[in-house]
Amino acid sequence: TQLLEQSPQFLSIQEGENLTVYCNSSSVFSSLQWYRQEPGEGPVLLVTVVTGGEVKKLKRLTFQFGDARKDSSLHITAAQTGDTGLYLCAGEDQGAQKLVFGQGTRLTINP
Amino acid sequence: DAGVIQSPRHEVTEMGQEVTLRCKPISGHDYLFWYRQTMMRGLELLIYFNNNVPIDDSGMPEDRFSAKMPNASFSTLKIQPSEPRDSAVYFCASGGQGLYEQYFGPGTRLTVT
Repeated sequence: TQLLEQSPQFLSIQEGENLTVYCNSSSVFSSLQWYRQEPGEGPVLLVTVVTGGEVKKLKRLTFQFGDARKDSSLHITAAQTGDTGLYLCAGEDQGAQKLVFGQGTRLTINP
Repeated sequence: DAGVIQSPRHEVTEMGQEVTLRCKPISGHDYLFWYRQTMMRGLELLIYFNNNVPIDDSGMPEDRFSAKMPNASFSTLKIQPSEPRDSAVYFCASGGQGLYEQYFGPGTRLTVT
């Protein structure tokens, strides 16, 4: 089974700052997804990236898939308290026919 | 659309008791997944179904765990007997575009004392 490592595990910053979180693997994924999970809720799909080098934007969130499709990043501009949550990346492991989840980055935005 | 519905939202039980978790997927979705989430191990896939048929149960930890999907709108995950190490949040997810786009329910927080 392919593995995904997310960094940092924990991140606490002030409102208005920018941040980037990373999702890395030694394996190639056919696609990669980012989810956000708020306390007491299930993960919610934010975006799917499919093509190496692809960049997708969702308001203040920018997602990038690495050229080799082994890694991805999520950049948040001017973070808001509402961005607080657990951010999970998940890769499409076609060999195992399942989604492989990273351990997540727990993000706290302080007012 | 109501989304994926799970019940109960919270379950507290004593060691040795049987626990049944329930899930109603999004209407029209062909895939249903059961996950377990803990701080130590993160989100783990337990089992998934396609068109009500179990496809991969390699993540089911032990024979104490079983899952069924008697029809397209209902699935159960049963633990018998339950143990304290089963304490976790259990999520059900469904997908209509194949394996790789999943919509999660709110989860059931299970505590076994």
